[in-house]
Amino acid sequence: DTGVSQDPRHKITKRGQNVTFRCDPISEHNRLYWYRQTLGQGPEFLTYFQNEAQLEKSRLLSDRFSAERPKGSFSTLEIQRTEQGDSAMYLCASSYDPDEQYFGPGTRLTVL
Amino acid sequence: AQKVTQAQTEISVVEKEDVTLDCVYETRDTTYYLFWYKQPPSGELVFLIRRNSFDEQNEISGRYSWNFQKSTSSFNFTITASQVVDSAVYFCALIPAAGAGSYQLTFGKGTKLSVIP
Repeated sequence: DTGVSQDPRHKITKRGQNVTFRCDPISEHNRLYWYRQTLGQGPEFLTYFQNEAQLEKSRLLSDRFSAERPKGSFSTLEIQRTEQGDSAMYLCASSYDPDEQYFGPGTRLTVL
Repeated sequence: AQKVTQAQTEISVVEKEDVTLDCVYETRDTTYYLFWYKQPPSGELVFLIRRNSFDEQNEISGRYSWNFQKSTSSFNFTITASQVVDSAVYFCALIPAAGAGSYQLTFGKGTKLSVIP
């Protein structure tokens, strides 16, 4: 399977804990995106990488969120001191052209 | 800023009926792309179509067809002879072709389609 993969698929954590998600893009894609989707809503943009450079961050991405893409390959999204409002599906996408984004299966986070 | 509106929150149809999902958008950009994605219960967003703002030709792919009308800022999606496997949430999205935000998809809230056997 050469699609976008995300790990874990589900994460349950207690409020205040730190969590980290991983995204492996399609191998030839140099662009990587993180989106967040809450129940009943469409995905909302969080951040964007071109190769290893983080070029844009949404105001939705508070100081508790940090994303990295070392060596321009996989990416990690870390949430520190999780809050119940962080409960959502976190979607990763990758592309070669910005207008053809292919999405992974998502990581569903539940904060208790 | 871009905005995508999907006024239909949920639609139920009986199998083999035709169904149209509405999408209206707002943008100040002169060139942009429009998309439809399907999200089955598994959660993964599946790309269905991309349409360039310069191309207003309707498109048909099997049981799926899309009607793009720039004059009304609409990009509607019709499923002909619906099947149970079409049950999913469908999202319309927009991205500017260049300039600020040209990497960022703006999604509507989605329309949940239930096809009843």
